Amino acid sequence: KQEVTQIPAALSVPEGENLVLNCSFTDSAIYNLQWFRQDPGKGLTSLLLIQSSQREQTSGRLNASLDKSSGRSTLYIAASQPGDSATYLCAVRSWGNDMRFGAGTRLTVKP
Amino acid sequence: DTEVTQTPKHLVMGMTNKKSLKCEQHMGHRAMYWYKQKAKKPPELMFVYSYEKLSINESVPSRFSPECPNSSLLNLHLHALQPEDSALYLCASSPIPTGVAGGNEQFFGPGTRLTVL
Repeated sequence: KQEVTQIPAALSVPEGENLVLNCSFTDSAIYNLQWFRQDPGKGLTSLLLIQSSQREQTSGRLNASLDKSSGRSTLYIAASQPGDSATYLCAVRSWGNDMRFGAGTRLTVKP
Repeated sequence: DTEVTQTPKHLVMGMTNKKSLKCEQHMGHRAMYWYKQKAKKPPELMFVYSYEKLSINESVPSRFSPECPNSSLLNLHLHALQPEDSALYLCASSPIPTGVAGGNEQFFGPGTRLTVL
């Protein structure tokens, strides 16, 4: 069974810093990996989707990388802003529509 | 229309009530999902519908009954729930189910906050 781990569980940074969130998974036989953002009590907003054949994806200040062989993905956020404060979740999709989420990293960006 | 909608936003029900959650998307997606999320925990997959047919049931108790009347609509019927079933229920959709051309991005609705008294 796929296990997904996110480190750190919580992160607090001053505004303007660049930061990296980590996601690791135990089974490298994946279809894709998706990064989400979740604000308190709200649904999930998709940030980036990386297919298993890809190495990275970029959207604005966000860059996600995937190293399938080592079971790792990172989400890089450049020039962080207070509006980036949220919980960031990575989810790995394996065979048969099985999508497993990590526990998330709770990010606080201080003005 | 590029979003997944869910109704109601909040629901309070007693353990003897029967209620339903509704999810709708008009993006032409052929896979729809129900997730349950407890506070400060990640979402957990409950059901998957692929081409309007139930393809995955993650050992969910029978007091939860999913229904997919058509390709745009997904319901979750609730009956005789327990207080521990209180959670945020999230619906999602994706263009095609995983296993077909590599799998696609999932889009989530805002969720229904369910409280069982």
